[in-house]
This record gives sequence, structure tokens and C-alpha cells, in this order.
Amino acid sequence: EIVLTQSPGTLSLSPGERATLSCRASQSVSSRYLAWYQQKPGQAPRLLIYGASSRATGIPDRFSGSGSGTDFALTISRLEPEDFAVYYCHQSDTSPKTFGQGTKLEVK
Amino acid sequence: EVQLVETGGGLVQPGGSLRLSCVGSGFTFSTFAMSWVRQAPGKGLEWVSTINYSGADTPYADAVKGRFTISRDNSKNTLFLQMDSLRADDTAVYYCAKTMFPRDSRTSPDFWGQGTLVTVSS
Repeated sequence: EIVLTQSPGTLSLSPGERATLSCRASQSVSSRYLAWYQQKPGQAPRLLIYGASSRATGIPDRFSGSGSGTDFALTISRLEPEDFAVYYCHQSDTSPKTFGQGTKLEVK
Repeated sequence: EVQLVETGGGLVQPGGSLRLSCVGSGFTFSTFAMSWVRQAPGKGLEWVSTINYSGADTPYADAVKGRFTISRDNSKNTLFLQMDSLRADDTAVYYCAKTMFPRDSRTSPDFWGQGTLVTVSS
């Protein structure tokens, strides 16, 4: 099983700041099958990034993804108030498919 | 517009069974793999199972293998999850999700339903 470890667990920042979230895999993941999701309380997850670096439809360009192999990152260039949420990375390359434990992005 | 609507959740006693359904619309259901993902109260996301477009390939998470069965009826655009021998730790919101690209079970889910709550308690 591929374990995805996200860091930090909680990130406290202010609107306008830059956020960098990390996702490390216990073994190599094909970039094609690495995604990032945003989830707000009481809502379903929303796809932000697929293929490690491609933005999903309608996602603002302040969100970007990078990485390959075992190290991936999600960057939010300038935080907007609506960006404070929980973020998950997900690999669907091999079964069992797995999610990271999540990073909570909170207002400082 | 893609829509996924889950039904079938509720309160069930330990050892009981429940069948979840998810109706898809706004896309060609029969060409996309579909998944179930769950989220226990206050916890993160956990993949449960995926079924390929034809129904021939159905991997499961170890936590549910042998107890849950995923299936689909492409003529009715419906995905199912039969849950047997339910335990307290199966309590969660269950989401159905559509994969992003047709005929590729490995692509990431792009659309999710709003979820249905399953509570296992006596």
C-alpha cells in the first residue's frame, strides 16, 4: 500500500500570503495519477489538481501543483478568504488507492 | 451538468446490511469508472472501492474486503454498494465519485456526490 504523508498537519497563514503544502509517498507514484482536493466543512471534496500539475476546470490560477516520483506539492500563491479549508492529496495509480491524512489551512 | 446523487444511508445495527445507490447524470455513465470513498466523522477521506466501466474489475480496501460489494447497472446509470456485516467503524459519510477520463480506472475522481450518512450503532 502506498502511504501518502502530508505536511504540515495544520498551516496557519493570513490572506494574501503564499501557502505550500507537501505530500510525500512511501513509493513512487505516476504523476498522471496524483491529485489534490479541497474540502470545506459539510461539503464534498472538490478536485483542484490532477496529473500532479494540471488545474481542474474552473480552478483559479493561484493554485498550482508540482512534483514527481515520491514528492509532490500544492502551492497557493496568494491566499483568498475562501481558500481556508482542508486539502488532501490522492494517488489512484495502484490499489489500494490512498489519500493523505490532510492539511488544514487555517486563518492566522 | 454532471450530477451524482447518493441514497440509501441510515442507521443500522452492528452485523446488519445496507445498500447504497448513486445515480449519475450529465455524462455517459457507462464509459467511466466509479468509486466509493468514505469519511468517518471528523476524519479524513478513505477510499473504499472502484468499479471499472464494464463492471469487470472491482478492487477493494482491505478494511471492507469480503464484506462490501460494488456493482453497477449501466442501463440505469446507477452505482451500488452492498454493505454486509457492518461494524461501528464503518460509520461514515459515503461519497460516490466519477473518474475523470473514460475507460481508465486509475484516473482521479473529478466529480463527487454530496454523500450519504451511514451510522452503525445499537
